[in-house]
Amino acid sequence: EDQVTQSPEALRLQEGESSSLNCSYTVSGLRGLFWYRQDPGKGPEFLFTLYSAGEEKEKERLKATLTKKESFLHITAPKPEDSATYLCAVSNQAGTALIFGKGTTLSVSS
Amino acid sequence: EPEVTQTPSHQVTQMGQEVILRCVPISNHLYFYWYRQILGQKVEFLVSFYNNEISEKSEIFDDQFSVERPDGSNFTLKIRSTKLEDSAMYFCASRRRGQGDPKLYGYTFGSGTRLTVV
Repeated sequence: EDQVTQSPEALRLQEGESSSLNCSYTVSGLRGLFWYRQDPGKGPEFLFTLYSAGEEKEKERLKATLTKKESFLHITAPKPEDSATYLCAVSNQAGTALIFGKGTTLSVSS
Repeated sequence: EPEVTQTPSHQVTQMGQEVILRCVPISNHLYFYWYRQILGQKVEFLVSFYNNEISEKSEIFDDQFSVERPDGSNFTLKIRSTKLEDSAMYFCASRRRGQGDPKLYGYTFGSGTRLTVV
């Protein structure tokens, strides 16, 4: 069964304190791994898609990397506005549905 | 930037009643989806819709659920007889077909409809 596990569940950082979020996955033929940001009461907001091991994507203070078993979302010098839940999801060769992890809730204080 | 629009934002319904959740996907998108998120839990796939038919569905999407694209712009999710456990945030999403630019391939989600069954 395809599965996505994210860790930690919650992360508290001081402004400027860099860290990484982990997404471990088992999937029958990875079609894509997706990172989304979700603010309370809102829908997931697309951040990145990664397709193959070794791939990296960057956007402002965020950088996503992918290996054959996991993905990391690195946050460099975070700001309070980066506080949100970060969701990891995968799609497999069988279809286009996304399989989500539970997310990591990030809180950045000034 | 194009967005997926969902209405209503909140809906309260009595157990056993029918509800219809509405979505307007992005105009040049071809795949349409419904997901749900029970409070404090994962986002879960319900159904995907392509070329005017269901292309995939999960175990959650039983006979109580149906989807329709009644015209060229709307995409609806109907729950025939709501149960307490149907209370959740329901998200509509859409995407273009194929790969290429990940922003185009990436799914765009709406802001959701919070359904409360009492």
